Amino acid sequence: EVQLVESGGGLVKPGGSLRLSCVASGFTFSSHSMHWVRQAPGKGLVWVSRITNDGSETTYADSVQGRFTISRDNAKNTVFLQMNSLRTEDTAVYYCARSSGGYFDLWGQGILVTVSS
Amino acid sequence: DIVMTQSPDSLAVSLGERATINCRASQSILYSSNNKNYLAWYQQKPGQPPKLLIYWASIRESGVPDRFSGSGSGTDFTLTISSLQAEDVAVYYCQQYYGSQFTFGPGTRVDLK
Repeated sequence: EVQLVESGGGLVKPGGSLRLSCVASGFTFSSHSMHWVRQAPGKGLVWVSRITNDGSETTYADSVQGRFTISRDNAKNTVFLQMNSLRTEDTAVYYCARSSGGYFDLWGQGILVTVSS
Repeated sequence: DIVMTQSPDSLAVSLGERATINCRASQSILYSSNNKNYLAWYQQKPGQPPKLLIYWASIRESGVPDRFSGSGSGTDFTLTISSLQAEDVAVYYCQQYYGSQFTFGPGTRVDLK
C-alpha cells in the first residue's frame, strides 16, 4: 500500500526538542522530494520544510529557519524533522507529504505536537 | 515570498449548484519556459489530511470527480465545483509551488445551504 506514516509527536515544554519521523511505503521513496506541512488547531495549512530526493538541498519556512532541521534516510524510506527551541506557536498537527513535480500528491495522517508548560 | 489569497472565506451552496473559489498569487506563478502555472488545489475534510484535487492549475488528479475543475493563469485562478454534492463539504486550499517556499492560501470553507 502506498502510504506515509508519521510518528514522534507529543507534549513538550517550550524550549524543548522533538524529532518527527515519517516512514514511506509502496513507492520509490528516493525518487521524490519530501515536505513537512503543519496545521495549528482550527487554522490553515502552513508549509514548513522541504528536502530533495537525494537530500542535497533543504528549504525552510522563515518561521522555523534555524530551529528545525529536515533530513532523510533513503535506505530506511524515512524523512525526519528535528525540532529544537520549540515555541507554543509550533503547536500543530504535522503532516509529511510527497512531492511530485512540486505539488503534494500523497499525505500522511498527521501527528500532533503540543508545546505547552 | 509569494503570498496566496483566497475568496470568499466561506460559501454555502445548495446541492447540485455551482461553487466557485478564487485564488490570487502576489506575483505570477506562470513559468514561461514551460508555460505551466505552478498552482495546486487541495480538499480537506474534518479530521483528515488534505487531498490533492488539481495540479498545474487545471490537471485533475486521478480519481477526482470531473465536477471539479481548475482554471486561470499568471496570478488569478479558480476552482469550480460544477454540481455540489454532500461529500464536497470541506475546506479548499490553493497552493503555489513556483517559489522556494511553498505557500498555501488561507482556505475557503464550502458548506451546504
